[in-house]
Amino acid sequence: DGGITQSPKYLFRKEGQNVTLSCEQNLNHDAMYWYRQDPGQGLRLIYYSQIVNDFQKGDIAEGYSVSREKKESFPLTVTSAQKNPTAFYLCASSREGRTSGNRNYEQYFGPGTRLTVT
Amino acid sequence: LAKTTQPISMDSYEGQEVNITCSHNNIATNDYITWYQQFPSQGPRFIIQGYKTKVTNEVASLFIPADRKSSTLSLPRVSLSDTAVYYCLVGDHSGNTPLVFGKGTRLSVIA
Repeated sequence: DGGITQSPKYLFRKEGQNVTLSCEQNLNHDAMYWYRQDPGQGLRLIYYSQIVNDFQKGDIAEGYSVSREKKESFPLTVTSAQKNPTAFYLCASSREGRTSGNRNYEQYFGPGTRLTVT
Repeated sequence: LAKTTQPISMDSYEGQEVNITCSHNNIATNDYITWYQQFPSQGPRFIIQGYKTKVTNEVASLFIPADRKSSTLSLPRVSLSDTAVYYCLVGDHSGNTPLVFGKGTRLSVIA
């Protein structure tokens, strides 16, 4: 099955600890994204990567870090500097970030990781 | 990025057609209009995308007037399982400026 996976589904951590969320895709997509969603809110972009070994900050990158060493993987680290880390984290991928004629490339989302920090 | 405005919530009875309108007055020439659906505790799912006029697939229809300053997602004969949040996004998918998900429209379908 092709798809995008995130693990674990639920994650609990103590305040002050760094935690890394996993995101893997076997869709051969170039672009990958991390979003954060708080209750009743929309998605906010944390980081995105259009190609291996390159990534850009989104709207709320402070307190987070990412790496893109492999095309398939885009892990997100929530550091102790993130003031309100408890949230639902969503990873997505898309074929590439460019239009081609009338085509646009949709984003495929993983199932999400719900992080609770106490 | 073109900003979008859509209703916060809508209610509908089962079997009715639901139309959700999104305003995007500052849409650019290269921008496409895309709609996603999100169920609780799941990632959003692509529903439909269009540039102008009308697009239809097995799930929904998307109506875009000539000036492209708004669009309407039409869900025919909704069922309880269509209860979800629906997001309207506008962007050129260039990758230079990723799409922005607003708060969406929370659709509640009532039996």
